[in-house]
Amino acid sequence: DQQVKQNSPSLSVQEGRISILNCDYTNSMFDYFLWYKKYPAEGPTFLISISSIKDKNEDGRFTVFLNKSAKHLSLHIVPSQPGDSAVYFCAASEGGNQGGKLIFGQGTELSVKP
Amino acid sequence: DVKVTQSSRYLVKRTGEKVFLECVQDMDHENMFWYRQDPGLGLRLIYFSYDVKMKEKGDIPEGYSVSREKKERFSLILESASTNQTSMYLCASTNGGTAYQPQHFGDGTRLSIL
Repeated sequence: DQQVKQNSPSLSVQEGRISILNCDYTNSMFDYFLWYKKYPAEGPTFLISISSIKDKNEDGRFTVFLNKSAKHLSLHIVPSQPGDSAVYFCAASEGGNQGGKLIFGQGTELSVKP
Repeated sequence: DVKVTQSSRYLVKRTGEKVFLECVQDMDHENMFWYRQDPGLGLRLIYFSYDVKMKEKGDIPEGYSVSREKKERFSLILESASTNQTSMYLCASTNGGTAYQPQHFGDGTRLSIL
């Protein structure tokens, strides 16, 4: 029973264009959502997060959108750069993540072509 | 910056061996986690700990145990290694008393069981 799903295993985008990575969840008790970026042979690096009281959070080129009614979140990267090529994981938790337990999606491998 | 250090980047062991993976964090975090990452499956939680000498099973604890004798150190033990435990193992930590905080990951241990 996959509570957090990333249905696209891979995405290819041209440099300078927008990358949109999607994530769906099933548990309506989730109230904190995160995106991590992972390069091969390295651990995941925290990228951006959003709590359920917001529907948008921006940090530089990265914006996360949350649609609670659809149980859907997305990560927008504008403009995309070759260095953004990595695997992106979305994750979710309950209770403001005070318990610390995260549920991860399967990941989407982004390839940004020069 | 939070530093989570995993003792080995690459490890090769034989079937039936007892394997120890070590993780140390330097931010006095209460919560520590062990995940494994496999292609198409994302990150799956093996065990976690909220305090010294405390442990909780995650989603896939079978064949593993953990030890937390000191706050900064969390060890994952493969009691009798099997080939299906070949994987990337990731340790993470977070501040348990503060809401809406991300987990911070180590660089991972790529474990091969022959």
